[in-house]
Amino acid sequence: AQSVSQHNHHVILSEAASLELGCNYSYGGTVNLFWYVQYPGQHLQLLLKYFSGDPLVKGIKGFEAEFIKSKFSFNLRKPSVQWSDTAEYFCAVNAFFQKLVFGTGTRLLVSP
Amino acid sequence: GAVVSQHPSRVICKSGTSVKIECRSLDFQATTMFWYRQFPKQSLMLMATSNEGSKATYEQGVEKDKFLINHASLTLSTLTVTSAHPEDSSFYICSTWGNTEAFFGQGTRLTVV
Repeated sequence: AQSVSQHNHHVILSEAASLELGCNYSYGGTVNLFWYVQYPGQHLQLLLKYFSGDPLVKGIKGFEAEFIKSKFSFNLRKPSVQWSDTAEYFCAVNAFFQKLVFGTGTRLLVSP
Repeated sequence: GAVVSQHPSRVICKSGTSVKIECRSLDFQATTMFWYRQFPKQSLMLMATSNEGSKATYEQGVEKDKFLINHASLTLSTLTVTSAHPEDSSFYICSTWGNTEAFFGQGTRLTVV
């Protein structure tokens, strides 16, 4: 069965600090990988996705993620966070057009 | 704008009553709709998958008679929580696929008192 692990449940950073959120998955087939963000009171929004090709994926708002197949990882990074990045971040994996399996989420708090 | 519209965003109901949550796809046809539930401080867990015109497929441990899903048209899927109990209090989210990404409703926070 597919599973996704996010190791950091809560992260607190100061503005301008660098961010890396871990995501590991287990899945026996070809994976599609996603990072979603949920700002307070809002929809889940797609930050970035990986289907194939360049394992370094750039998303919106300065976020990027690197797919390392050998490590079954898809960590999310941002060089310099802003207060507005305060949100909950979810890693997810699926087979194409099938159900998404989500990690437990990481709640990020950026202090000004 | 939102591709998937979910209503209501919040609902409080008494134990034993039923609550219907609607999920509409805007400007496109949603053949398949996924219904997720999110408990506090936990991840989104898939409850069921609905396909237009056919019976929903429920995940293990989800009571199909309690969580009634109807997907009668390509733009509307509904989840009805029947005879709700406090343990059903949760955040329910619908989702469907566009070309290359999943789109989510705003979510419904259900509180059963």
